[in-house]
Amino acid sequence: DAGVIQSPRHEVTEMGQEVTLRCKPISGHNSLFWYRQTMMRGLELLIYFNNNVPIDDSGMPEDRFSAKMPNASFSTLKIQPSEPRDSAVYFCASKNRVWGNEQFFGPGTRLTVL
Amino acid sequence: QKEVEQNSGPLSVPEGAIASLNCTYSDRGSQSFFWYRQYSGKSPELIMFIYSNGDKEDGRFTAQLNKASQYVSLLIRDSQPSDSATYLCAVKKGTGFQKLVFGTGTRLLVSP
Repeated sequence: DAGVIQSPRHEVTEMGQEVTLRCKPISGHNSLFWYRQTMMRGLELLIYFNNNVPIDDSGMPEDRFSAKMPNASFSTLKIQPSEPRDSAVYFCASKNRVWGNEQFFGPGTRLTVL
Repeated sequence: QKEVEQNSGPLSVPEGAIASLNCTYSDRGSQSFFWYRQYSGKSPELIMFIYSNGDKEDGRFTAQLNKASQYVSLLIRDSQPSDSATYLCAVKKGTGFQKLVFGTGTRLLVSP
């Protein structure tokens, strides 16, 4: 079975541009998580969804960040406008909410904002 | 105080030795504890989880939990160079919660 799929794998953009990161969770998983990882702050949860509904977005740093999950097989994380301090690796993870303890992580998107 | 604290390392051990990785957490309501391994440039992958006080063993790995001391550790026996990675401790409040809070990780280096 395919794991969590993220695209793009690398993104380089200029400050002020809009960035959209995409995630396809593992089929059958009904919880989806967006994380950001930096050297200074480690792995931080930004937002998570259960059954496509946002449950906790307290980790979203500011209004420039937004996330959607229009259906069970797709989610986006958008940054508009992007800033250099947004440079990080963004991971998407999915899990079956009812059974299992493991969050399965995608390969991540490395974002560089110049 | 951070919710989950780990020594950033690096922790250097020779091949064949026991590596001991430690983690403390601040929320006494925490009920589930996870150890993830992350190789450089890769995504985290789950090694073990533990709920109950005491030890839980899986192959060369042993997780230890002491809720009274708010302390969880991971022991790696017979360390191998392939164990060289960053180990992330993560904490979850309870079965009704989905959110994991991660420590910043401890980098382990196993020398041949």
